[in-house]
Amino acid sequence: GNSVTQMEGPVTLSEEAFLTINCTYTATGYPSLFWYVQYPGEGLQLLLKATKADDKGSNKGFEATYRKETTSFHLEKGSVQVSDSAVYFCALKGSNFGNEKLTFGTGTRLTIIP
Amino acid sequence: NAGVTQTPKFQVLKTGQSMTLQCAQDMNHNSMYWYRQDPGMGLRLIYYSASEGTTDKGEVPNGYNVSRLNKREFSLRLESAAPSQTSVYFCASTRQGWVGNTIYFGEGSWLTVV
Repeated sequence: GNSVTQMEGPVTLSEEAFLTINCTYTATGYPSLFWYVQYPGEGLQLLLKATKADDKGSNKGFEATYRKETTSFHLEKGSVQVSDSAVYFCALKGSNFGNEKLTFGTGTRLTIIP
Repeated sequence: NAGVTQTPKFQVLKTGQSMTLQCAQDMNHNSMYWYRQDPGMGLRLIYYSASEGTTDKGEVPNGYNVSRLNKREFSLRLESAAPSQTSVYFCASTRQGWVGNTIYFGEGSWLTVV
């Protein structure tokens, strides 16, 4: 079955540091890949997505590239802010029509200190 | 623009009590999901409904039942609550047909079973 392996947290960085959160996946076919963000006490919001190999998703300064050869979708940001403190989830959606389930990684808690 | 709406937001139950979590979406989506979120385990799929009238078990269905009442509504029922069902529950929905369609989440329901 499909699976997502995500970098363990928690991650603590200083403001303006470079961020990488690793994500690798196992899937059959041609899945789509997503990063969701969860701020304290809130639900999940889509951060970015990529729907085919070599696609780059980007939003709010975050980027991730769908690498089929390494089965990876690492999240990066060049200069983090305190407001980026949240839990980040990598997720995969399978490509079987009518069975498009979303499989999540375990989440990475990110804390940015001023 | 409501999106995915879950009720209740908070609930405390005694062991053995029953309750139903309600979910409704106003985006005319075909597919709906129920997930639970536990520390260190990410989000795990409880049940999935690809369309009105169909439901499928996910990764952790034991102790739960679901009803896809119509296209808009997908409810999750705990028949006899157990402390192991203490969790945060998320409802989600998406338009079926393309693997790249975003899955939208509700704000979550915090359930404590004592």
